[in-house]
Amino acid sequence: DAKTTQPTSMDCAEGRAANLPCNHSTISGNEYVYWYRQIHSQGPQYIIHGLKNNETNEMASLIITEDRKSSTLILPHATLRDTAVYYCIVSPEDTGNQFYFGTGTSLTVIP
Amino acid sequence: DAGITQSPRHKVTETGTPVTLRCHQTENHRYMYWYRQDPGHGLRLIHYSYGVKDTDKGEVSDGYSVSRSKTEDFLLTLESATSSQTSVYFCAISERGRKGGYEQYFGPGTRLTVT
Repeated sequence: DAKTTQPTSMDCAEGRAANLPCNHSTISGNEYVYWYRQIHSQGPQYIIHGLKNNETNEMASLIITEDRKSSTLILPHATLRDTAVYYCIVSPEDTGNQFYFGTGTSLTVIP
Repeated sequence: DAGITQSPRHKVTETGTPVTLRCHQTENHRYMYWYRQDPGHGLRLIHYSYGVKDTDKGEVSDGYSVSRSKTEDFLLTLESATSSQTSVYFCAISERGRKGGYEQYFGPGTRLTVT
């Protein structure tokens, strides 16, 4: 079972920030939040992950609420190449962690 | 891309025939995974491996077997392919993140059609 809830689809204007929400109200203390995206039929691409603190890398920012029950992935300046399905996954800090993908959010960046 | 290749990239086979898909990695990762993806679904885990000769089932393992005789190769076998196994198959490896957790990196996928 996917432990996360995401909107089915979203649109974003090119050049604007894309904010993708995810609910994970049953997250456990040792579970990380991961974000991946999949463009067309390519393999999923790792974006970012975090446990409690907000994280930022060259691709995106991850904002995790204080109670850890939800998070937001932020693409600061969306481009057409960011059009993809975005998956939010929670998984424990175990070796060999299993990922359960839901159906994700289909983000369309509009020119 | 974590040095992951999959072969073949495309295959068409007939119902009832055996099929083996290969995942090869070059960076000595301990953990490897096989997923399938069907229209309207996210990826679903079939089997995974946590070392040579060490494997375990995922959520959709029926009809599939795996083997890992070398660190670099993880094989997925459909003993007798069925049309319901028509899918895109992705292999992945797992490596520890610098800030904890384990990041998975995926191969390019194999598109399998069973007629």
